[in-house]
Amino acid sequence: AQSVTQLGSHVSVSEGALVLLRCNYSSSVPPYLFWYVQYPNQGLQLLLKYTSAATLVKGINGFEAEFKKSETSFHLTKPSAHMSDAAEYFCAVSGGSNYKLTFGKGTLLTVNP
Amino acid sequence: KAGVTQTPRYLIKTRGQQVTLSCSPISGHRSVSWYQQTPGQGLQFLFEYFSETQRNKGNFPGRFSGRQFSNSRSEMNVSTLELGDSALYLCASSLGTGSSGANVLTFGAGSRLTVL
Repeated sequence: AQSVTQLGSHVSVSEGALVLLRCNYSSSVPPYLFWYVQYPNQGLQLLLKYTSAATLVKGINGFEAEFKKSETSFHLTKPSAHMSDAAEYFCAVSGGSNYKLTFGKGTLLTVNP
Repeated sequence: KAGVTQTPRYLIKTRGQQVTLSCSPISGHRSVSWYQQTPGQGLQFLFEYFSETQRNKGNFPGRFSGRQFSNSRSEMNVSTLELGDSALYLCASSLGTGSSGANVLTFGAGSRLTVL
């Protein structure tokens, strides 16, 4: 069984500040991990994915995430927030052979001017 | 190339009615998955189809069903609608082969269903 916990349903940062969105996972098999972003009235867009290659994964729009097996974490960061980063972010885990993503509850990111 | 297309984008139904939602995947993608998104439960997996066969199913009642056609297009149906079925229904397509974990889903914009 797999599960994802996103700490903090709402994170607020100032423009130019560091963005840190937390994700912890549980998986009985080697996990594949993903971060998706959802803008209002839109579907989910893939930001980045971890598939057991490099532990530090770079994604689109300046985001990156680090896979830490010992901490079962896959936190998402961006050095400097931009107003356009305001959206809801979802962490997801996949594994095994079921072609299914298990999502966290999401973190709503607000960027203040 | 064209993305995942879902129709209709918005619809309103009343309790007891049924609804059919459509999803056209990215060309070449043979897997189509459906997810329900609600404020309370978040994103929940409904089912996944590959080459016209349901390969995986989530924990939803039998009122929720789907199918996939030979051109990979998919439909999902919800019968006897309940107020709690109000949600954003998201379709995602992928190649559906190889390692499941590395299988990247591309999502459509969703169909927002309101049940009155």
